[in-house]
Amino acid sequence: QSALTQPPSASGSPGQSVTISCTGTSSDVGGYNYVSWYQLHPGKAPKLMIYEVNKRPSGVPDRFSGSKSGNTASLTVSGLQTEDEADYYCNSYAGINNLVFGTGTKVTVL
Amino acid sequence: QVQLVQSGAEVKKPGASVKVSCKASGNTFTSYDINWVRQAPGQGLEWVGFMNPNTGYTGYSQSFQGRVTMTGSISTVYMELSSLRSEDTAVYYCARGRGITRGFDYWGQGTLVTVSS
Repeated sequence: QSALTQPPSASGSPGQSVTISCTGTSSDVGGYNYVSWYQLHPGKAPKLMIYEVNKRPSGVPDRFSGSKSGNTASLTVSGLQTEDEADYYCNSYAGINNLVFGTGTKVTVL
Repeated sequence: QVQLVQSGAEVKKPGASVKVSCKASGNTFTSYDINWVRQAPGQGLEWVGFMNPNTGYTGYSQSFQGRVTMTGSISTVYMELSSLRSEDTAVYYCARGRGITRGFDYWGQGTLVTVSS
């Protein structure tokens, strides 16, 4: 199973929006509504930001939103803040006992 | 307050096995599955597999099939990886979820496993 494709980097100024794509196939992203997004700060454990494409766990700001079209899922961060600077990874269910992560995107707040 | 507490760093030689634990602090794993995810230095996240501590059911990534074994109870879950090679050097995380479809909401602090001769 190949990793899902994400852009290596994305950036925006404080207050702007940034959107990260996560491209897979009809066997993973396109086949199920089970895409999650994680935020990773250096030296810290991943934090769940979005699950089931567009659901936010409690405590995650509504500046974070998720969507999906075909084989591509997206994470949008609106109203960028300095603390949003981190690595972001998507993952998708890909069948029984099969979960695939994306390649990761480094978000920089300019 | 849910906390997942993992065992400490390990250094192993190629060909050896390593067993990492993940203990529920302040709660148990009742009604949840425990997943294992690793991140090699400078690399991305990789799913290893999961276990339902209530039923003992396990599901492993094909990439690790035959080398990984997950065991445990509703208070502590273990991941054992055998036939270690240098490419297995990584931080291994346990993470709580409901199956593998609804995201992992709580994570352990990570355990660094170093494979070196």
